[in-house]
Amino acid sequence: DAKTTQPPSMDCAEGRAANLPCNHSTISGNEYVYWYRQIHSQGPQYIIHGLKNNETNEMASLIITEDRKSSTLILPHATLRDTAVYYCIAPYGQNFVFGPGTRLSVLP
Amino acid sequence: GAVVSQHPSWVICKSGTSVKIECRSLDFQATTMFWYRQFPKQSLMLMATSNEGSKATYEQGVEKDKFLINHASLTLSTLTVTSAHPEDSSFYICSAKIGGGGSNEQFFGPGTRLTVL
Repeated sequence: DAKTTQPPSMDCAEGRAANLPCNHSTISGNEYVYWYRQIHSQGPQYIIHGLKNNETNEMASLIITEDRKSSTLILPHATLRDTAVYYCIAPYGQNFVFGPGTRLSVLP
Repeated sequence: GAVVSQHPSWVICKSGTSVKIECRSLDFQATTMFWYRQFPKQSLMLMATSNEGSKATYEQGVEKDKFLINHASLTLSTLTVTSAHPEDSSFYICSAKIGGGGSNEQFFGPGTRLTVL
């Protein structure tokens, strides 16, 4: 079983920020949290990862709570092309266990 | 950088035949590659982990004699589905991990859709 839990689906208006939550209460102190997304019939695409500090790149921002039990992926200005399934992953060693993810629908 | 390719992207075969899928890291060396399977409307499921030059490690419930994995070089891993049957029809995805370092970041290929008639 995945070590993370996410809501099954979310909607977001185009141009608005999409905030995708993830609970990972059993994560250990030295385990990173990774975010990937999968657009239909494609391989997963890396978005961002973090350990303790908040992270930002050209795609998204990752906010990790101080106790590291949860995190939020933020897409600052969602577009229709951001419609995808988003996976939050806390690895078992080097292995990724994919949960069902969150299906984000960006609406025009 | 960190591009992973798969070939073929789509294959249809008759029941009982074998199908080979290639996974290549194009611009980096991958000491570890992973093979996943994804059925429609489901999440990815890890099938096996392969390290260059050694035998693959299979997840529970995955038949090693049916899904042959070879990782002969630092840039190529192959998955052969032997004696394929319709229930093996699925989306097969590989990923590669850059060797060394503390990061477990995986780079995924575009996937191979297998349809067994």
